[in-house]
Amino acid sequence: DAGITQSPRHKVTETGTPVTLRCHQTENHRYMYWYRQDPGHGLRLIHYSYGVKDTDKGEVSDGYSVSRSKTEDFLLTLESATSSQTSVYFCASREPYNEQFFGPGTRLTVL
Amino acid sequence: KNEVEQSPQNLTAQEGEFITINCSYSVGISALHWLQQHPGGGIVSLFMLSSGKKKHGRLIATINIQEKHSSLHITASHPRDSAVYICAVRPKTSYDKVIFGPGTSLSVIP
Repeated sequence: DAGITQSPRHKVTETGTPVTLRCHQTENHRYMYWYRQDPGHGLRLIHYSYGVKDTDKGEVSDGYSVSRSKTEDFLLTLESATSSQTSVYFCASREPYNEQFFGPGTRLTVL
Repeated sequence: KNEVEQSPQNLTAQEGEFITINCSYSVGISALHWLQQHPGGGIVSLFMLSSGKKKHGRLIATINIQEKHSSLHITASHPRDSAVYICAVRPKTSYDKVIFGPGTSLSVIP
């Protein structure tokens, strides 16, 4: 399996606070993704990156920003967390034309 | 209408049964993926297909590109196969993203 880690694995925060989730991969994959998974919605793409400093929005990008300053790291930031952002967040990475490898997930609760 | 649909939504089987999960999609694709997610667990890639059939242990995945349909079969099912199985497609027009199906929740009873 590809080496993809996420930190933190669990986080509880309050509405209005900023939150940053980190994804780290050791496979030198070009593409990286942030998804959220909610009951009844399945996996939905938040943002993705196709190279260092190259990012694009997914279908549920409002309220989220990302940054990728190094190949191995992809950060997801909630500038001002809301209760609707309570979810499980998954990071994934891949090489072009290959399968995606997923991180273990981060469970975020916004009170 | 969702671009990727799966059936059944939920499935309960007795240990040892042969299981089939279906995926149908409406867009032209370059590849189709089958993923597995155990309760409370991470997501693991089982197969990536662009044609034909692949087999790994007790799992078999097939795809019919003309009919826009794929099936995941589990032979001699076991309680440890209990998980959500997710079909995902990579559209030809957007090769850097995938579209996920809603998942099929499988429970295998001893």
